[in-house]
Amino acid sequence: DIVMTQSPDSLAVSLGERATINCKSSQSVLYSSNNKNYLAWYQQKPGQPPKLLIYWASTRESGVPDRFSGSGSGTDFTLTISSLQAEDVAVYYCQQYYSTLFTFGPGTKVDFK
Amino acid sequence: EVQLVESGGGLVQPGGSLRLSCAASGFTFNSYWMSWVRQAPGKGLEWVANIKQDGSEKYYVDSVKGRFTISRDNGKNSLYLQMNSLRVEDTAVYFCARAARDYTKLNWFDPWGQGTLVTVSS
Repeated sequence: DIVMTQSPDSLAVSLGERATINCKSSQSVLYSSNNKNYLAWYQQKPGQPPKLLIYWASTRESGVPDRFSGSGSGTDFTLTISSLQAEDVAVYYCQQYYSTLFTFGPGTKVDFK
Repeated sequence: EVQLVESGGGLVQPGGSLRLSCAASGFTFNSYWMSWVRQAPGKGLEWVANIKQDGSEKYYVDSVKGRFTISRDNGKNSLYLQMNSLRVEDTAVYFCARAARDYTKLNWFDPWGQGTLVTVSS
């Protein structure tokens, strides 16, 4: 199974400041046949299901604010919130879909400083 | 509007059984892989199982193999999870989730249902 790790476990950011979350996979999730990274990012607020933010590691889902961006390739990925807003306080998860046995990272909690 | 609505959760004793259902609407159900994903209280997300459009392929996380069975009824636009030999560690909110792209196994999940809580306790 592909193991996903995230860092940090939590971070506190001032309103308007940048938040950076890292995700690492135990093996590459880059498919050579199409040169796509099989990596997604979700946001989850308390009492709600996860909400899709990013897929193919860097493609923003329709309706997601452009302050959210994804980058990286192979085994190392980053989710960046360029200017933290009040509504961004949440837990963020990465997920690999390279393998049928889908796996998620443990999550990163983002809060206000 | 695409919608997934789970039901069937509740309190069950260790060793007991429970059947979860997910009612789908707003899309062509028989065109998509479907999954169950769970979240233990205060913990992260864990993919549990998925099933192909026609039910011919099914995959499970190791921890539920031999105890859980995923199935679907395309005529009723419904997904199911039969859970047997339940353990305390199966306590979680169980989400129904659709593959984002039709006829494609390797997918991110979108949309998700609101979830149904399963509590395994004596």
